[in-house]
This record gives sequence, structure tokens and C-alpha cells, in this order.
Amino acid sequence: GAGVSQSPSNKVTEKGKDVELRCDPISGHTALYWYRQSLGQGLEFLIYFQGNSAPDKSGLPSDRFSAERTGGSVSTLTIQRTQQEDSAVYLCASSFEGRIITGELFFGEGSRLTVL
Amino acid sequence: GENVEQHPSTLSVQEGDSAVIKCTYSDSASNYFPWYKQELGKRPQLIIDIRSNVGEKKDQRIAVTLNKTAKHFSLHITETQPEDSAVYFCAASIRQAGTALIFGKGTTLSVSS
Repeated sequence: GAGVSQSPSNKVTEKGKDVELRCDPISGHTALYWYRQSLGQGLEFLIYFQGNSAPDKSGLPSDRFSAERTGGSVSTLTIQRTQQEDSAVYLCASSFEGRIITGELFFGEGSRLTVL
Repeated sequence: GENVEQHPSTLSVQEGDSAVIKCTYSDSASNYFPWYKQELGKRPQLIIDIRSNVGEKKDQRIAVTLNKTAKHFSLHITETQPEDSAVYFCAASIRQAGTALIFGKGTTLSVSS
């Protein structure tokens, strides 16, 4: 596709259930980010994948959160045993980044997660 | 890791006035500072960026200044228009080291006509 694609666009789940959020980045983009945006809050960094390097997981809020990026393309963010405070919009972004090239981040539309 | 502080959290101006948003960063090695604009219900989009080898960059009504010594950078919007109303995010990272882009908490700018 032409842009970053995320699914589902909306997810309502019960507390304690696991959820998976998917991100399909722009083809050829080497970097992929996950951010979380709560109502009235900023873009909270979660995890960063860059090429074949080990991901930067420093933003994951707890061990209930994990993410994978298979084949350097599609990424899945998994939240286990969801809590109400996990309710937010989860934004994925991709960019082409190299040692010199500074890549603009292209964001997806986000996945809105509501935990009841 | 990098920490980015952004002020003010909200800013209201009259159409035609200037608006200034300020950010500070913690990691002196950071060398890339973009600004993103997020309109209501839409995804964030890059509006301007600056690298540490320059002190100022302009693009029409938008300018960004960088003070590396003080570790702060600012977004300046002149002759504001109602369509400038949005949430603005600053960010910082160390590009060559391949570090993550860390955002500030955002500034909600409201331009009234």
C-alpha cells in the first residue's frame, strides 16, 4: 500500500484478555516505531526496530507488552492480560533511516484500544 | 535515555499573532530535532526539522531555532491562521547512532479569528 497500515482500527476487549495489534509499514522502510497516545497525552515511545539491529524496547511500560517485526516488515504489538490503563490509541510509524539519511516518520491511522 | 520537555501545554492566540513553542532535551548527543503537527482526528505529520549543525531553519511562516549549549529548541509560527490550530509535538534523537525518536508531550495551539 501507499502508506502505513494498521489493524484493527478499533478494538474493544475485556480486562485480562490478550490483544494483538498489527502494523504494515511502507515498503522499503528500515525503521518501525510503536507509540501510545492516551487522551490528551503525548506520543509515548514504546519500541523501535531499525534494520537488523536489536530493537530498542526501553519504552515498553511492563512485561505484558511485547512486539515483533518479522522479516523486517510487518510488526505485531501484543498486550497480555490487558488492564484498563492500557486503553489508548496505538500508533505505528515507519521511516527510511541510514547513517546519514534522516527519515521522516510516516504514521498509520492508529489502533484505538478500549479495555472494559 | 533521552527526555524531551515541551512548553506550554496549551497556547491560544489571535489570528495574525505569532506563536512560540519551546522544548528542552536531556541528551547532549542528540542531533536531530523534528516538529510534527497533529490535526484533530488525524495522524501526526512532519512540518519542519533541524539538525545540530545549524542554528535556525525557516519554511514560509514556520521557523525552528536550536541552542545546543542550552539544549533547547523552539518552533515559531508567524501570522497564525485558524488552520494552524492543532497539537504540535517536538522530538529529539541521535540519528547516526540509530536511536529512537522521543517526543515531547505536545502543545495544543488554538488560533481564533
